Amino acid sequence: AQTVTQSQPEMSVQEAETVTLSCTYDTSESDYYLFWYKQPPSRQMILVIRQEAYKQQNATENRFSVNFQKAAKSFSLKISDSQLGDAAMYFCASGGATNKLIFGTGTLLAVQP
Amino acid sequence: DTAVSQTPKYLVTQMGNDKSIKCEQNLGHDTMYWYKQDSKKFLKIMFSYNNKELIINETVPNRFSPKSPDKAHLNLHINSLELGDSAVYFCASSQDPRGPTEAFFGQGTRLTVV
Repeated sequence: AQTVTQSQPEMSVQEAETVTLSCTYDTSESDYYLFWYKQPPSRQMILVIRQEAYKQQNATENRFSVNFQKAAKSFSLKISDSQLGDAAMYFCASGGATNKLIFGTGTLLAVQP
Repeated sequence: DTAVSQTPKYLVTQMGNDKSIKCEQNLGHDTMYWYKQDSKKFLKIMFSYNNKELIINETVPNRFSPKSPDKAHLNLHINSLELGDSAVYFCASSQDPRGPTEAFFGQGTRLTVV
């Protein structure tokens, strides 16, 4: 069975600072992807970044990057130069051959001006 | 153009009623899903369809019946609604059923059962 754990229910960061959201996962699949989704108050689920498990290089998307530690089954999200618009719930998720996403419980990120 | 669209966005109904939520995607994807997000924001898959065929059913009560008339549409019908069905229901789609790819989500339907 796949599980995804986010141990930080809430985080806070000052505008322009950097914050890291933690995620650990467990899976028996050999081929899987990992994702971070953002859910702002509008409720829309927005893909932030994705990582293929077979790739050693950490994915980056502008101010968003991940630290993927496959052996430790860790997949953290770093947000640099935080902006007010980054305030949202962030979900870590894993997807395998069954093509369903398993989500963590989410981290609510507040950005302080 | 909205990639994955759901209707309605909000639905308030009484216990015991039957209701449907519609979903359409214009991304040309083969696989569509229904996810449920409960009051604690926990997201869990309910169903997955690939090219109109059911491939995942996550022990959802049989009061919930998905229907896929074609691969671009996946509707969710709920019979005899209960208070515990109150949640946000998300439709999603992805491209490749053979392997893990990201899912594109609709804007969600907030269902409130009173």
